[in-house]
Amino acid sequence: DAGVIQSPRHEVTEMGQEVTLRCKPISGHDYLFWYRQTMMRGLELLIYFNNNVPIDDSGMPEDRFSAKMPNASFSTLKIQPSEPRDSAVYFCASSWGPGANVLTFGAGSRLTVL
Amino acid sequence: GENVEQHPSTLSVQEGDSAVIKCTYSDSASNYFPWYKQELGKGPQLIIDIRSNVGEKKDQRIAVTLNKTAKHFSLHITETQPEDSAVYFCAANPNDYKLSFGAGTTVTVRA
Repeated sequence: DAGVIQSPRHEVTEMGQEVTLRCKPISGHDYLFWYRQTMMRGLELLIYFNNNVPIDDSGMPEDRFSAKMPNASFSTLKIQPSEPRDSAVYFCASSWGPGANVLTFGAGSRLTVL
Repeated sequence: GENVEQHPSTLSVQEGDSAVIKCTYSDSASNYFPWYKQELGKGPQLIIDIRSNVGEKKDQRIAVTLNKTAKHFSLHITETQPEDSAVYFCAANPNDYKLSFGAGTTVTVRA
C-alpha cells in the first residue's frame, strides 16, 4: 500500500483565496483524521470521519474551514477565505477498527498564506 | 479535555548514549499512550505504544514505561544512533478516537 497520500505537498497562496487540501486514506481504513501542526499549538485535531461521516468537528477553528469525505478513498479540507494565520502543515491520517487510535499519517501539506 | 505535557523540548545526546523523554497527562480515563517519531518533511510515524493494562513495553532499542497512578509515561531510547535524530511526540487518548499530543521533543544525536 502506498500509505496515506496528500496533495498538494506545498501550497502558497494569497490572503482571501480558497485553499483545498486533498487526502487519500489507506484502503480499508474506516477512520480519517485531519490535523494541523504549528510551532505555537503543536498537533491539533481538526475533524475526524468514520465510514465517510463526520463524527467530531469541534477542532475546526471557524466557519472558514470545512471538510468533506464523499467516499471511502477521498477527503478534502477547504479553507475559504484563507488568512495568514492559517499557515501551517496540515496532516491527514487514517486508521481502522474500533478503538482505532493507531494512526498512519500522510506526509502533510505545507500551507503558506501571504 | 486531556492535557499532555512533554519534557524536555530539546535533547542532545552523544551517539551510543541513552535518551529519555517524559510525558504527563491529566485525564485518568486515558488508556492508550503512543509515541510518534517525525523526521524532517514527513508525517509522524508510530514507533511504540502502550496500553493501560501494561507497565512497560520494549521493542529492540526503544522502551516505554507507564505509571497510571502518577499519570506519567516515558520513552527510553538506548544506544542512540544518528538516525534516531527526529522530533518525538507522546500522546494520550481520553476516548477511543481523539489523541491529544504533547508539544514534541527534538532529539539530536551527536556523532
